[in-house]
Amino acid sequence: SQQGEEDPQALSIQEGENATMNCSYKTSINNLQWYRQNSGRGLVHLILIRSNEREKHSGRLRVTLDTSKKSSSLLITASRAADTASYFCATDEGNNRKLIWGLGTSLAVNP
Amino acid sequence: GAGVSQSPSNKVTEKGKDVELRCDPISGHTALYWYRQSLGQGLEFLIYFQGNSAPDKSGLPSDRFSAERTGGSVSTLTIQRTQQEDSAVYLCASSSGQGVNEKLFFGSGTQLSVL
Repeated sequence: SQQGEEDPQALSIQEGENATMNCSYKTSINNLQWYRQNSGRGLVHLILIRSNEREKHSGRLRVTLDTSKKSSSLLITASRAADTASYFCATDEGNNRKLIWGLGTSLAVNP
Repeated sequence: GAGVSQSPSNKVTEKGKDVELRCDPISGHTALYWYRQSLGQGLEFLIYFQGNSAPDKSGLPSDRFSAERTGGSVSTLTIQRTQQEDSAVYLCASSSGQGVNEKLFFGSGTQLSVL
């Protein structure tokens, strides 16, 4: 079953705008990860946030985690056309290293 | 190698044939995962190998699917008597296997099309 659920399913913005994607999950976690996928092939790790962290930054990416609401958000600032991709969140299941994946948010950044 | 390598990148087969998909993980990574992704969907877990431990096969959808990992490195996913619903991208990932807070490194996947 899918633990992570992203919303929106699809997002279309203009270059230079910010993009926000959300992820909700159901059980307790050790960490939550965000990945990016271009053209339906291999995924690339973007950022990992641990359960005891509330916010993390990496370049133009900002991730927040609210364990009380079991949700996370990924913010991409000053978006570029090259940011066009699908973005997935993934959570572990406590002691189980098997990650559970959401269905992803498809982001289109228009030049 | 520098990254996770999967082969073939594309495979077209006829219904009923067997196929083998190969994954060569990053050298030294003890954990290896196989996932399946249908068009527009998320990743479906298939199987997980960690060192010499018994693999977690809980995600394999039927007994037509099997996987091996020889010598703790290269892995082969075999699908016997393929069906059209097996058409998907099969993704392999590896990680260091050192702890729970670790990221996965993915290969580019094998696009399987069953006609």
